[in-house]
Amino acid sequence: AQSVTQLDSHVSVSEGTPVLLRCNYSSSYSPSLFWYVQHPNKGLQLLLKYTSAATLVKGINGFEAEFKKSETSFHLTKPSAHMSDAAEYFCVVSDGPSNTGKLIFGQGTTLQVKP
Amino acid sequence: GAGVSQSPSNKVTEKGKDVELRCDPISGHTALYWYRQSLGQGLEFLIYFQGNSAPDKSGLPSDRFSAERTGGSVSTLTIQRTQQEDSAVYLCASSLVGGIQETQYFGPGTRLLVL
Repeated sequence: AQSVTQLDSHVSVSEGTPVLLRCNYSSSYSPSLFWYVQHPNKGLQLLLKYTSAATLVKGINGFEAEFKKSETSFHLTKPSAHMSDAAEYFCVVSDGPSNTGKLIFGQGTTLQVKP
Repeated sequence: GAGVSQSPSNKVTEKGKDVELRCDPISGHTALYWYRQSLGQGLEFLIYFQGNSAPDKSGLPSDRFSAERTGGSVSTLTIQRTQQEDSAVYLCASSLVGGIQETQYFGPGTRLLVL
């Protein structure tokens, strides 16, 4: 079965320092992987997605993620955090066997950015 | 262009009552998904519609939950005889077509509170 594990429920960084949000996945198929962000009282917004093309994926707002098959990881990074990055982040895998595109979400990581 | 819209944005109901939640997908999107976001369970898939195909109902938690999609556009999620554990944010998403590589666009959600 497909699954994702976000290794940290809460990450705190100072403004201007790097961000690393960790995600491991489990899939018996070639997965499609996504990162979504949810700001307080806002809807889910796609940051980036991996769909078997380039392993280094660039997204919006300076975020990027690298697909590493050997490590079954899809960690999200950003070189320099901004206050507006404070939000909840979800690592997501698309359900391969059903091929419907239904998404399987990780438990989320809350990113706190300190001034 | 217009994104996914959902109504109502908030709903408070009494235990045992029925509720209907509405989703208007992005125009031209043939695939529509319902998800639920709750404190205990995180984000979980409920149901998927694709064109005129039979829906994938595999995520519905009980037979009190049902959904329909009329005319391939608007969808309604109905919860009968609501229970307190149904309290959650119900999210609707749409994509151009179904499939594991497609990007899903999420609505702002309906926050349901069952007293």
